[in-house]
Amino acid sequence: SQQGEEDPQALSIQEGENATMNCSYKTSINNLQWYRQNSGRGLVHLILIRSNEREKHSGRLRVTLDTSKKSSSLLITASRAADTASYFCATVLTGANSKLTFGKGITLSVRP
Amino acid sequence: EAGVAQSPRYKIIEKRQSVAFWCNPISGHATLYWYQQILGQGPKLLIQFQNNGVVDDSQLPKDRFSAERLKGVDSTLKIQPAKLEDSAVYLCASSFLGPLHFGNGTRLTVT
Repeated sequence: SQQGEEDPQALSIQEGENATMNCSYKTSINNLQWYRQNSGRGLVHLILIRSNEREKHSGRLRVTLDTSKKSSSLLITASRAADTASYFCATVLTGANSKLTFGKGITLSVRP
Repeated sequence: EAGVAQSPRYKIIEKRQSVAFWCNPISGHATLYWYQQILGQGPKLLIQFQNNGVVDDSQLPKDRFSAERLKGVDSTLKIQPAKLEDSAVYLCASSFLGPLHFGNGTRLTVT
């Protein structure tokens, strides 16, 4: 079974709106990462948050981590049509040799 | 810097045939990963190399899949014989003490 489970499975919003995606995981982690995948392409790293961090920002991205609830959220502010993609959360378990385990992903559609 | 290179981009084979994929990681990246991504799912780790040694191959179906990383640089992933359920995108990624960098993958269709 996969470590990370994203929610919702699909999200459709209007350009300019904010998009919030959630990820829950099951066991203790070293860090959690978010990746984006455009259709027919490889994954692109967006942001990494360590287990001792609670929030990180990168441009229009904001990631939070709640280790007590074993959950993370990715917020994309002022969305653009170019943000249309699949988004995956991935976790590195404590002591896991940098092995990255991915969730099933969220499909985000941003309507112009 | 040049990204992770993979070839071929697409491959169509019949079941029971063999196929090989090639990956050239980013220069200097010691860790190399092969992931299998079935349509609509997240990538699943098949094998992880640290230089030319295997770190994790617990999810590699070893009766039909094999992988090697010669001289700790390029890597090849082979499937022999292929099954219908092997139809997927095979992604190679590399890293150096940080996030993974992915290639664009090889889309395999087994008919």
